[in-house]
Amino acid sequence: AQSVSQHNHHVILSEAASLELGCNYSYGGTVNLFWYVQYPGQHLQLLLKYFSGDPLVKGIKGFEAEFIKSKFSFNLRKPSVQWSDTAEYFCAVNTRNSGGYQKVTFGTGTKLQVIP
Amino acid sequence: AAGVIQSPRHLIKEKRETATLKCYPIPRHDTVYWYQQGPGQDPQFLISFYEKMQSDKGSIPDRFSAQQFSDYHSELNMSSLELGDSALYFCASSPGQVEVSGANVLTFGAGSRLTVL
Repeated sequence: AQSVSQHNHHVILSEAASLELGCNYSYGGTVNLFWYVQYPGQHLQLLLKYFSGDPLVKGIKGFEAEFIKSKFSFNLRKPSVQWSDTAEYFCAVNTRNSGGYQKVTFGTGTKLQVIP
Repeated sequence: AAGVIQSPRHLIKEKRETATLKCYPIPRHDTVYWYQQGPGQDPQFLISFYEKMQSDKGSIPDRFSAQQFSDYHSELNMSSLELGDSALYFCASSPGQVEVSGANVLTFGAGSRLTVL
């Protein structure tokens, strides 16, 4: 079964610091990868996605992620964080179940706190 | 643009009561997913439906059931509620299952917060 690991549970940064959140997945077949963000008290929103092609994908609000197939990783990065980036970030992997239907598995999330 | 609509937004129930949550997907989305997010937890997949048939099942308790109706909205029915059922229940929808690209993006609703006293 597929699984997703996020190494950092809680990250605290000062504004303008650079961010990198780790994500590793475990699945032997073709995967599609996502990062979702959940601002305090809000629902999950898509930040960026990787389906195929260029392994470096750019998302909203200056975020980007790099898919490294050999490392089963999809780390999220942002060169300079802002206070408004304070949120919880979830990595997710999309695979197919035995019936061929789409199945999305989330990581445990990383809480990012940006200090002004 | 239309989003995923969930109702009610907040619900308070006593132990052993029943509750029903509703989810209205984005128009023309025929796939619905239910997730449960406990306090400080990651979203746990419960169940999904495609074209009114169950397409996948996750960690949904036997006390819970769900279905998708002809208009593609879905309802999650929860019976014999327990304190541990207190959580945020998210519904997500996507535009179909078998795509050439291999995947569809899930769009999430705002969630229904269930509190069991």
